[in-house]
Amino acid sequence: AQRVTQPEKLLSVFKGAPVELKCNYSYSGSPELFWYVQYSRQRLQLLLRHISRESIKGFTADLNKGETSFHLKKPFAQEEDSAMYYCALMETGTYKYIFGTGTRLKVLA
Amino acid sequence: DAGVIQSPRHEVTEMGQEVTLRCKPISGHNSLFWYRQTMMRGLELLIYFNNNVPIDDSGMPEDRFSAKMPNASFSTLKIQPSEPRDSAVYFCASSSQRGVTDTQYFGPGTRLTVL
Repeated sequence: AQRVTQPEKLLSVFKGAPVELKCNYSYSGSPELFWYVQYSRQRLQLLLRHISRESIKGFTADLNKGETSFHLKKPFAQEEDSAMYYCALMETGTYKYIFGTGTRLKVLA
Repeated sequence: DAGVIQSPRHEVTEMGQEVTLRCKPISGHNSLFWYRQTMMRGLELLIYFNNNVPIDDSGMPEDRFSAKMPNASFSTLKIQPSEPRDSAVYFCASSSQRGVTDTQYFGPGTRLTVL
């Protein structure tokens, strides 16, 4: 069955430290993967998608098909990165999204 | 563009009452999604529509939940009768699905509390 797993509910790091939010997926086809972010009092919004291979707000994510992972990384965390992060998989053809349970990132001063 | 609009933003009701949540997708978008967010289970897809037709309602928890999309600019999610365990934030999202990786645009959510 298709599944997205985010093993950490909460991740706390100090400002300036590297951060990695883990995401593993289970999907029989070729996945389309995304990271969505929800800042306090704001709407859930797209952060980045793997197909674009882009860096947004210093975050990057590399699709590792061998390990079925799509971890989100940033070399130097900032306080404004504190938010809820969701990894998501889109089923090709149906456009149905499957979200992970989310990881709350707290960046401490 | 105001984006996806949801109403009400907050709803407090008593167990057994009927609750109706409303969503207006972004104009031109042809897909609409209803999600439920809880601390324990994160973001769960309840149902989604494509061109106003329900495609997958496998996430709807029980028969107490129903959703409709009478036209391209309006959808409702109804819970009847409501129970305390239905308390959650309910999000509506829309997308255009004109490309392989179309972004989902989320509404602000409706925070439902069932007493």
